[in-house]
Amino acid sequence: GQQVMQIPQYQHVQEGEDFTTYCNSSTTLSNIQWYKQRPGGHPVFLIQLVKSGEVKKQKRLTFQFGEAKKNSSLHITATQTTDVGTYFCVRTSGTYKYIFGTGTRLKVLA
Amino acid sequence: GAGVSQSPSNKVTEKGKDVELRCDPISGHTALYWYRQSLGQGLEFLIYFQGNSAPDKSGLPSDRFSAERTGGSVSTLTIQRTQQEDSAVYLCASSFADGTEAFFGQGTRLTVV
Repeated sequence: GQQVMQIPQYQHVQEGEDFTTYCNSSTTLSNIQWYKQRPGGHPVFLIQLVKSGEVKKQKRLTFQFGEAKKNSSLHITATQTTDVGTYFCVRTSGTYKYIFGTGTRLKVLA
Repeated sequence: GAGVSQSPSNKVTEKGKDVELRCDPISGHTALYWYRQSLGQGLEFLIYFQGNSAPDKSGLPSDRFSAERTGGSVSTLTIQRTQQEDSAVYLCASSFADGTEAFFGQGTRLTVV
């Protein structure tokens, strides 16, 4: 299956700065999910986007699905040290196989 | 159970030995997935079960890897004649069959020496 590319691969930010990771696919996605993996931990589901142009917010996190359903973004406002981890976008295939993106590793400097 | 349970949490084995990794999914979840994650890397899909059948085995790296699931519940991932490149964290996840969120276990850290 087609892997979903994420940029940047790594991001270091000062605590309080904003952070955005982008997810791009060459094919139209039926939906997109986002997961967070803390260092030494396992991936934890954050959200699922289904509709074209959909925007969802969770406190300081804003998730967006592109109009063409080929890209998605996760924006964190005013990062905190608890935001440290790797953020993955995940596409599901027709058999609901979860294909993980390449991930963006976020470090927050206090 | 309350969450996805994997055992053992850590496994150190000698090169050439066989290992079995176990995954106990969330009760009621018909779909089960195995992934492999090398240090600092992303998640590599290995195999997917729907009930007891595995419609997609495309991710298994070689014929040394096999997996089974019995009773629509517990799954075992077996690696025969382990090699050093098999060292990684093996993650199991389960979900309902409708493509909603996947729940992951804590993983088994396999080290081949």
